[in-house]
Amino acid sequence: KAGVTQTPRYLIKTRGQQVTLSCSPISGHRSVSWYQQTPGQGLQFLFEYFSETQRNKGNFPGRFSGRQFSNSRSEMNVSTLELGDSALYLCASSFPGGENTEAFFGQGTRLTVV
Amino acid sequence: GDSVTQMEGPVTLSEEAFLTINCTYTATGYPSLFWYVQYPGEGLQLLLKATKADDKGSNKGFEATYRKETTSFHLEKGSVQVSDSAVYFCARGDGSARQLTFGSGTQLTVLP
Repeated sequence: KAGVTQTPRYLIKTRGQQVTLSCSPISGHRSVSWYQQTPGQGLQFLFEYFSETQRNKGNFPGRFSGRQFSNSRSEMNVSTLELGDSALYLCASSFPGGENTEAFFGQGTRLTVV
Repeated sequence: GDSVTQMEGPVTLSEEAFLTINCTYTATGYPSLFWYVQYPGEGLQLLLKATKADDKGSNKGFEATYRKETTSFHLEKGSVQVSDSAVYFCARGDGSARQLTFGSGTQLTVLP
C-alpha cells in the first residue's frame, strides 16, 4: 500500500511569489491535514480537509489556503510569500474512525523563500 | 488552548543506556496521545499511541503509559541503540489524529 506522497520534495521561491504544494493520501483515506515545521515554532497545524471541506483551521494568515479534490488529494497554496514561510510542510492522511484513528505523514516539502 | 510540554533536548546517551523523555499534556477533554519519530530529512513516523487512561503503547522496545492523574505520557526504552538517534515528538489529538498538537521535540543522539 503506497504511503502519503508529497510533491515536490524541494522548492525555492522568491519573496512575493505564490506556491502550490500537493499531497496524495493513502488510498481510502479521506482526511488530509497540513502542518508547518520550523526550527523556531516547531510543528504547527495549518488546516484539515475531509470530503472536500475544510473542517479545522489553525492560526495562520489568510495567505495560507488549501483545497481537497474528490479523489481526496489535497493542495495547499501560499500567496505573497515571505521569508518566514520557509519551512518543511508536512501533510498527513487518516481514515476517520473515532478514537483509533492514526495519522500517516508524508516526507514533506521543503520550501525555501529567498 | 491545548498544549503539550516536552522535555528539552538535546539528549545524548551511550548505547544500551536507559531512555526517558518526559511529556505532559493539557487535560481538556479525552485526548489521544502519540509519540512520533523523525529521522533526518524525513517526515514523521508514528512510534506508538494510547487512546485512554492507563493504556500502554509500545513498539520497537519503546513504551509510554497514558497517566491521567499526572497528565503525562513519558517515553521510555530500556536499552537504546545508535539507530534510535532521531527527533522524538509527543502529540495529543482530540479523540482522533486529524488535528494534532505537538511538543517541541527532543533530539536524541546515541553514541556507540
